[in-house]
Amino acid sequence: QQPVQSPQAVILREGEDAVINCSSSKALYSVHWYRQKHGEAPVFLMILLKGGEQKGHDKISASFNEKKQQSSLYLTASQLSYSGTYFCGTESRDDKIIFGKGTRLHILP
Amino acid sequence: DGGITQSPKYLFRKEGQNVTLSCEQNLNHDAMYWYRQDPGQGLRLIYYSQIVNDFQKGDIAEGYSVSREKKESFPLTVTSAQKNPTAFYLCASSVQGASYEQYFGPGTRLTVT
Repeated sequence: QQPVQSPQAVILREGEDAVINCSSSKALYSVHWYRQKHGEAPVFLMILLKGGEQKGHDKISASFNEKKQQSSLYLTASQLSYSGTYFCGTESRDDKIIFGKGTRLHILP
Repeated sequence: DGGITQSPKYLFRKEGQNVTLSCEQNLNHDAMYWYRQDPGQGLRLIYYSQIVNDFQKGDIAEGYSVSREKKESFPLTVTSAQKNPTAFYLCASSVQGASYEQYFGPGTRLTVT
């Protein structure tokens, strides 16, 4: 089943923070996060493999709550380059990724 | 330079014709995937392959077929049985399975009229 992402879209001013959530009805083995610019291929951001794991690079980080079957992506002090659509992908028992419908993020100068 | 290539970037076909989309990778990855992307729908899995000569159906396999005769190649055929084939098609690969980062190709935009 497709994970649910929220919000569907968000508009921020440069420098503001954002949180994107991803929740699944199935037990999860891993959660992937990708960003896609319009007309381009998705680009990998990070994978979280264990419940409770947190990762981050630059000002983008994520957490994975295995018990709640949820993950959140945190964008701190957003930059114009952060604009795009963010997808979470969840891995369950059958060794494939199911992607959410995406969250559109637009950063205003 | 290692990566995934998809060709062509844009493809136009008449209804009722089969069409094959190319996907090649030189990353030495075992796993390869085909996704379909429609506006507002995210990425939906069509087929995936974890090893040469083996592949599994994804969530929307009806009207599509694939082959995996070589490790580096995973072509997708959109058959005339696919009721709504116009979409953006993305190919991806990973080292080994779903717990690894997926590398995406640039995509093929297919328009069927």
